Amino acid sequence: DGGITQSPKYLFRKEGQNVTLSCEQNLNHDAMYWYRQDPGQGLRLIYYSQIVNDFQKGDIAEGYSVSREKKESFPLTVTSAQKNPTAFYLCASSMGLAGVNEQFFGPGTRLTVL
Amino acid sequence: GDSVTQMEGPVTLSEEAFLTINCTYTATGYPSLFWYVQYPGEGLQLLLKATKADDKGSNKGFEATYRKETTSFHLEKGSVQVSDSAVYFCALSDKSSGGSNYKLTFGKGTLLTVNP
Repeated sequence: DGGITQSPKYLFRKEGQNVTLSCEQNLNHDAMYWYRQDPGQGLRLIYYSQIVNDFQKGDIAEGYSVSREKKESFPLTVTSAQKNPTAFYLCASSMGLAGVNEQFFGPGTRLTVL
Repeated sequence: GDSVTQMEGPVTLSEEAFLTINCTYTATGYPSLFWYVQYPGEGLQLLLKATKADDKGSNKGFEATYRKETTSFHLEKGSVQVSDSAVYFCALSDKSSGGSNYKLTFGKGTLLTVNP
């Protein structure tokens, strides 16, 4: 079955630690995205990538970093510089950019800072 | 900049009731419009979309019509079921100013609870 997988489902981090969230897709999509979801605030775009070895900042990129070394993978690192990292993180992909192309979402990773 | 405004939730209905969730938008260009649904503990799934004015998107009994004159994309369903309980997000995709990049802008979501 084609789709997007995210791991882990739940992640706990101590303050001051960096953590990396995994996102893999086997849909052969060019574009991939990372969103952050907070209660009552909808989804906010962190980073997106149109093609391998290229990515752009979204609306709330500070404290996050990404890489796109393979078409299938778009890992997100939450660094210690992110002041309030506790949130639900969603990865998505689309055939091209999201103009008319549906974005497919993974099941999400819930990150909690202890 | 682009923005999406949805009606505040939560919305609580009885089974077989009529559903409307209002959505209005502001955009600089000619956006595509989407409704996504999120079931508890899961990611988002596309429910329906419309890419130009007067288009009607429909799926699973849900409908929404792209109204350019009122900048709206209200979601409707004639008879809701308990299984429709979820969070519904309205979103738009518009070409960013001066460039060729598209991104999705989401509303804050509306929680729908349907009781038997």
